[in-house]
Amino acid sequence: QSVLTQPLSASGTPGQRVTISCSGSRSNIGSKYVYWYQQLPGTAPKVLIYRNDKRPSGVPDRFSGSKSGTSASLTISGLRSEDEAEYYCATWDESLSDSCVFGGGTKLTVL
Amino acid sequence: QLQLQESGPGLVKPSETLSLTCTVSGGSISTYYWNWIRQPPGKGLEWIGYIFYTGSTNYNPSLKSRVTISLETSKNHFSLRLKSVTAADTAVYYCARSFPPWDLPHFDYWGRGALVTVSS
Repeated sequence: QSVLTQPLSASGTPGQRVTISCSGSRSNIGSKYVYWYQQLPGTAPKVLIYRNDKRPSGVPDRFSGSKSGTSASLTISGLRSEDEAEYYCATWDESLSDSCVFGGGTKLTVL
Repeated sequence: QLQLQESGPGLVKPSETLSLTCTVSGGSISTYYWNWIRQPPGKGLEWIGYIFYTGSTNYNPSLKSRVTISLETSKNHFSLRLKSVTAADTAVYYCARSFPPWDLPHFDYWGRGALVTVSS
C-alpha cells in the first residue's frame, strides 16, 4: 500500500481536461513539496511538475499542478493522444519512514 | 547533455548480492545528489536511497539494513549494493540525479533502467 493515494485509472477524449488526484497526510503532502512524474510505456519517468506547481522547461503549459492541505492534483488540459501514460505523484514523508514516497500511479487512457 | 547509464548483472541468485553501477557522462558527479529508484514489473516506483559526493547517504528505512550506495568521483560513477536478495527484489533499477534534500524528490535526469531478475 502506498503512503500517497492515487486513482488507479483516469480517462478522457482528445481536447478534454483531466485531473488526477493524490491524497496524503500532514507528514508528507501537508508539509512538503509535491512532484509529478509521467512514465510512458517502456521508458524512465520524467518530471512534469516540481515544487507543487512549477513546470520544467520543455513541459507544455497544458500540464499544471496544485496543492491544498494534504492533497495535490495534476491537471492536463487539451488532452492529446501522446499524454496516454502512467502518472505518479511523489513527496517526502517526515514520519517514521522519513523517506521519499511515491503514489501508486494512475494510468491515463486517451479514448 | 547529462546522461546516466546503469550497468550490472541482469540475473542474481536468491540470498546473493545485487550490484549495479551508474555511470554519469556530460557532467560531474561532484555536485547534486545521486539516487537509486526501482520498479517491480507492472508496479509502482520505490525510492532506494541517495548519496552526495561527500559520501553522505540516506536510505529508505524499509531497505536500509540491506543497502549500500557508494560513489567514485574519479570514475564519475556511483553504485548500488543490495544484499540477501529475494524474488521480491526483481525490478527495473533506475539511477537518477536529484537536487538537495529540501527539494526532494526532484529527479531531473534518469538512466534508462536495468532489469534485474532474482532467480535460481
